[in-house]
Amino acid sequence: SQKIEQNSEALNIQEGKTATLTCNYTNYSPAYLQWYRQDPGRGPVFLLLIRENEKEKRKERLKVTFDTTLKQSLFHITASQPADSATYLCALRPKGGSYIPTFGRGTSLIVHP
Amino acid sequence: DTAVSQTPKYLVTQMGNDKSIKCEQNLGHDTMYWYKQDSKKFLKIMFSYNNKELIINETVPNRFSPKSPDKAHLNLHINSLELGDSAVYFCASSRDPGLVATGELFFGEGSRLTVL
Repeated sequence: SQKIEQNSEALNIQEGKTATLTCNYTNYSPAYLQWYRQDPGRGPVFLLLIRENEKEKRKERLKVTFDTTLKQSLFHITASQPADSATYLCALRPKGGSYIPTFGRGTSLIVHP
Repeated sequence: DTAVSQTPKYLVTQMGNDKSIKCEQNLGHDTMYWYKQDSKKFLKIMFSYNNKELIINETVPNRFSPKSPDKAHLNLHINSLELGDSAVYFCASSRDPGLVATGELFFGEGSRLTVL
């Protein structure tokens, strides 16, 4: 069956360090992968998208990599700040079909001052 | 202006009741969605709807039904509420994925439903 896995344990890091979050998937052929941020009591907010033929994408302090051989995406936040503390969700859109994104469970990031 | 708005934000009701959650988007998007986020924070698609097609997640009980009076609205009706329906329900919209396959989703703030 299709699965999207994100680390269910919270990631705790010190301010200024680089946070790296992982999204693994199985039995999936995504056309592209999206990352969202969700704050408590709020809806997810889109951050970045990476296509299957792209290796890396950057936006300010954010970087996403996509390895279709490993079936994995890494999401990096450099120079992390306490304001980056949130849950980060990856979502995969399949090739063709309904195009409906399927979300991972998300990983909670806590940046300590 | 809020892009995707849902009402009510909180809803507490008894088992067996029928309730509705409303959703409106002012982004001019063609496609709207309903997702359910359970206590384990897992965000699961329930419905996707545009002016051409309604796609239903086959695991969603038929007590749940989407109703779209126009392109900017997609309401969620739930009949005979059960304890297990307690969750946060998110409405979202995007550009037509058939035309813009990479379009991101814009989410509402969520409606927390508690069934007693």
